[in-house]
Amino acid sequence: AQSVAQPEDQVNVAEGNPLTVKCTYSVSGNPYLFWYVQYPNRGLQFLLKYITGDNLVKGSYGFEAEFNKSQTSFHLKKPSALVSDSALYFCAVRDGSTGRRALTFGSGTRLQVQP
Amino acid sequence: GAVVSQHPSRVICKSGTSVKIECRSLDFQATTMFWYRQFPKKSLMLMATSNEGSKATYEQGVEKDKFLINHASLTLSTLTVTSAHPEDSSFYICSARETGGAEKLFFGSGTQLSVL
Repeated sequence: AQSVAQPEDQVNVAEGNPLTVKCTYSVSGNPYLFWYVQYPNRGLQFLLKYITGDNLVKGSYGFEAEFNKSQTSFHLKKPSALVSDSALYFCAVRDGSTGRRALTFGSGTRLQVQP
Repeated sequence: GAVVSQHPSRVICKSGTSVKIECRSLDFQATTMFWYRQFPKKSLMLMATSNEGSKATYEQGVEKDKFLINHASLTLSTLTVTSAHPEDSSFYICSARETGGAEKLFFGSGTQLSVL
């Protein structure tokens, strides 16, 4: 079985400050990890992924995430937040050791960036 | 980048009627598509995996006779909510994985279904 936990329902940050959105995962085999962003009444947009290699992954719109195997975490970060970053963020995982391609999503974290 | 078109974006129907939602990959072929359901302020719940040319694989607890999935071509999957009831009201999102492509899913813009 695989699961994802996003412990924060909402994260508030001032524009220009660094932001972190937390994610921890549980998977039996090799974790394939993803971050997606969702704007109101829209589908999900891909931000970044970790499959293998460098633990620090850089993605779209200046976001990055760090894979930490010992802590089973994949926190999303950005050095300087923008008001336009305000949206709903989802962490997702799948077990790369299996043929099952579907992703399991976390409950989502709403990011609110204040001007 | 790859685009997934989902239609309609919003539908309101009467209880007991059926509603069809289409999901198309516009510039790539998708052997596999996924249908998710999202409740307000909740995560996406996988309903089923749609495979081109074969029967869909449903997640536990999802009624296959109520949520009919057809994946007739490499670019089109449809979800039909049969005999819809108010509790079926939700946001439905499809996603597609490019055949032989990188490990990345592309998502449609979603369909808000409201059953009166």
